Amino acid sequence: KNQVEQSPQSLIILEGKNCTLQCNYTVSPFSNLRWYKQDTGRGPVSLTIMTFSENTKSNGRYTATLDADTKQSSLHITASQLSDSASYICVVSAPSMNRDDKIIFGKGTRLHILP
Amino acid sequence: NAGVTQTPKFQVLKTGQSMTLQCAQDMNHNSMYWYRQDPGMGLRLIYYSASEGTTDKGEVPNGYNVSRLNKREFSLRLESAAPSQTSVYFCASKIGRDYEQYFGPGTRLTVT
Repeated sequence: KNQVEQSPQSLIILEGKNCTLQCNYTVSPFSNLRWYKQDTGRGPVSLTIMTFSENTKSNGRYTATLDADTKQSSLHITASQLSDSASYICVVSAPSMNRDDKIIFGKGTRLHILP
Repeated sequence: NAGVTQTPKFQVLKTGQSMTLQCAQDMNHNSMYWYRQDPGMGLRLIYYSASEGTTDKGEVPNGYNVSRLNKREFSLRLESAAPSQTSVYFCASKIGRDYEQYFGPGTRLTVT
C-alpha cells in the first residue's frame, strides 16, 4: 500500500535553533516528492520538489534531502524563526494509469517555534 | 493574479441542508481538486478534474458531487449535509501531471 509517514508528529524548538523533519514513504514507482508548509488557517504552499535523481534541494533556510534507495526524505530548517511555526507536509507523487498522478499526502509535522 | 480562490470562508449548516462550495483559479491550470482536511488525518482527496469536461472520484467521494463548470471553476456540492462532513475543505489546481499543486485558503464547514 502506498503510504507516507512523517515524524515527529509535533516538535517544539527555540527560535534560532535548527531542526530536521522526517518523511518515509513506501510509494513505488515514484515521480517526485514535495514538502509543503501550511500556516494555521491557510492552504499548503510548496517549499521544495525533488525527483528520484535529485538528493538535495534548498529554498532559503529550508533544505530538503532525498534518499530514493531507502525511501526517506528530510526537511532541515536552519536558524528557525517564529514565522516557521506551521505544519510541514510531505507529499509523494506516483505515476498512474488514471487521468492524473496519484498524490499521497503525509499527515504532517506540527512545528512550534518559541521565542 | 489571485491564484486559487474559494467561497465561502466559513459556513455553518444544519444536518440535511445542502450547499455548494465554489472554487476558481486564474492560472490557466488544467487540473483541479477538492480535498478535506481533518485533525490527525491529513489531506484526503474527494474529487478531481484532470481537465475541463472530466471529473473522477478520489478517496472519500461519498456524500459529495462536483461540477467542472469551465476551465476556471470547480464546485463541490453537499446535497444533504451530515455532521461527519464537518471539516476544512481545500480546493487546489495544477497545470498537469508532475506539476506543483496550488491551494486555496480553505472553507471551514461545520454541520450541526
